[in-house]
Amino acid sequence: SQQGEEDPQALSIQEGENATMNCSYKTSINNLQWYRQNSGRGLVHLILIRSNEREKHSGRLRVTLDTSKKSSSLLITASRAADTASYFCAIYNQGGKLIFGQGTELSVKP
Amino acid sequence: DARVTQTPRHKVTEMGQEVTMRCQPILGHNTVFWYRQTMMQGLELLAYFRNRAPLDDSGMPKDRFSAEMPDATLATLKIQPSEPRDSAVYFCASGFSGGTEAFFGQGTRLTVV
Repeated sequence: SQQGEEDPQALSIQEGENATMNCSYKTSINNLQWYRQNSGRGLVHLILIRSNEREKHSGRLRVTLDTSKKSSSLLITASRAADTASYFCAIYNQGGKLIFGQGTELSVKP
Repeated sequence: DARVTQTPRHKVTEMGQEVTMRCQPILGHNTVFWYRQTMMQGLELLAYFRNRAPLDDSGMPKDRFSAEMPDATLATLKIQPSEPRDSAVYFCASGFSGGTEAFFGQGTRLTVV
């Protein structure tokens, strides 16, 4: 079974708004990663946050990690129609496995 | 432009036939993952390799699936015999050990009729 749970499953917002996606997990992690998948394509890595980090930024992306609550969030600020995609969190556990959540389908309307 | 290459991109086969999917990881990467993606189950980790050695294939139905790395430039995933429930998109990803990012191929869309 997968170890990442994401919510919401689907999110629809207007261009310019912020989008927040959450991820919870069950085991100890080495790091947590976020990926993006456009329809019919492979996944593309967005950002990685290590277990000893609490927050990380990359452009319009902000990721937080709370290891005590075993949760992470991805914030996309000032969203664009081109951000429409599915977003997945993935935990890299200490056994070397990279395990994905179910994903959040984001729709950004122009 | 380094990328993970998967072949074929699409495969339609009849139930009971053998299916072989191939993956060329990015040169120098020592970790390879195989995933299966369906609407119902999401992205399932089937198997992964480090330095060509299988580390874990517990996500794979052992009776019909097998994964190998004959050399550092080729990973294969075989299904024999295939069944309609195997219809899915199969992704290969490669990376460096130690938990760095994984680079995904474009996937093989398998349809078993």
